Amino acid sequence: NAGVTQTPKFQVLKTGQSMTLQCAQDMNHNSMYWYRQDPGMGLRLIYYSASEGTTDKGEVPNGYNVSRLNKREFSLRLESAAPSQTSVYFCASRRVGNQETQYFGPGTRLLVL
Amino acid sequence: GQSLEQPSEVTAVEGAIVQINCTYQTSGFYGLSWYQQHDGGAPTFLSYNGLDGLEETGRFSSFLSRSDSYGYLLLQELQMKDSASYFCAVSDYGQNFVFGPGTRLSVLP
Repeated sequence: NAGVTQTPKFQVLKTGQSMTLQCAQDMNHNSMYWYRQDPGMGLRLIYYSASEGTTDKGEVPNGYNVSRLNKREFSLRLESAAPSQTSVYFCASRRVGNQETQYFGPGTRLLVL
Repeated sequence: GQSLEQPSEVTAVEGAIVQINCTYQTSGFYGLSWYQQHDGGAPTFLSYNGLDGLEETGRFSSFLSRSDSYGYLLLQELQMKDSASYFCAVSDYGQNFVFGPGTRLSVLP
């Protein structure tokens, strides 16, 4: 049981390049999330997926796209990276019930030059 | 919209008790969660309050008052390893989550 996994762990991009961040969970959760965290700040929701086949915008969706490939996988794509997208990106899956819990992946550290 | 407020920093000594407050303004409210994050690490779940009152999990307790839009995390018998950032987060009836700015706790020997 690996929980939530993310790839890559670290990436450097040049302005205008594109990339996809991968996320997978093996806990059979319906809901998955993408957050970004800037230094010294809280987490801001980019996109979420309540179930397979559905996605919705969070607080800061501009410049990003997502795909919920299946129940396990939720990817985040930067079509044309900008320095303002330099951040740490966390994927999470959510267990719903009496104890609302989000399980986070280890994060992807992205530097856009 | 939703906004949360937390103190930016708290300092305490080993063995002490510390309380981290969280106030929120939301258009919809389902529950209040608390997460811990060590430097360079991922957030990990600590506690959840869906109803008013106190929830206890070992050395950690969390409290919620819906009528006051207020909650707190109580950490007892502080240990050095508790030095970390602590975030409150509000979920609404949909799937949206909003995290607070975080409180950095420093535990001194």
